[in-house]
Amino acid sequence: EIVMTQSPATLSVSPGERATLSCRASQSVSSNLAWYQQKPGQAPRLLIYGASTRATGIPARFSGSGSGTEFTLTISSLQSEDFAVYYCQQYNNWPPPCTFGQGTKLEIK
Amino acid sequence: EVQLVESGGGLVQPGGSLRLSCAASGFTFSSYWMHWVRQAPGKGLVWVSRINSDGSSTSYADSVKGRFTISRDNAKNTLYLQMNSLRAEDTAVYYCARDPGTTVTTWYFDLWGRGTLVTVSS
Repeated sequence: EIVMTQSPATLSVSPGERATLSCRASQSVSSNLAWYQQKPGQAPRLLIYGASTRATGIPARFSGSGSGTEFTLTISSLQSEDFAVYYCQQYNNWPPPCTFGQGTKLEIK
Repeated sequence: EVQLVESGGGLVQPGGSLRLSCAASGFTFSSYWMHWVRQAPGKGLVWVSRINSDGSSTSYADSVKGRFTISRDNAKNTLYLQMNSLRAEDTAVYYCARDPGTTVTTWYFDLWGRGTLVTVSS
């Protein structure tokens, strides 16, 4: 099973600043990597798929990069609504068909 | 509004059964593959099961194979998860999620519900 490791576990950033979240796969997942945002009590929201393609309706301040085993989600200028937990997910290797990271909590500094 | 709404969670004893439902609205439910994903308290997300658009093909995580059954009723725009022989380790919030693929599954999820909590405890 591919293990996805996200770092840091918690990231404290001020509004307006840039946030950089990392996700590492235990083996190559090519570009089959997605990012999700989850706020307390809400449904997870797809942000990025294919490592770098923004999902429908996602603001341009969210960008994804990387391939193979190292991936990054960057939020260029943090808005108040961006403080949440972010998960990465690989969907390249079986079994199982997909695995998620443990999440990075982005909190207000 | 495009949404998924789960229901049917609750407290159940070990060895018991529960059926979860996921009501879809705002999109053509019958065109999409669907999944269940769960999240144990304080833990990460774990894929549980998926079903193709017409219900003829299903797959399961090893941890639930033989105990859980995924199904759908496209006339009612509803996805189900029948959970039998429940164990303490099945305690989690269960989410239904839509796969954007229509002919094949992509294995990522472009629409999620808010989840329903299942607690397995005596």
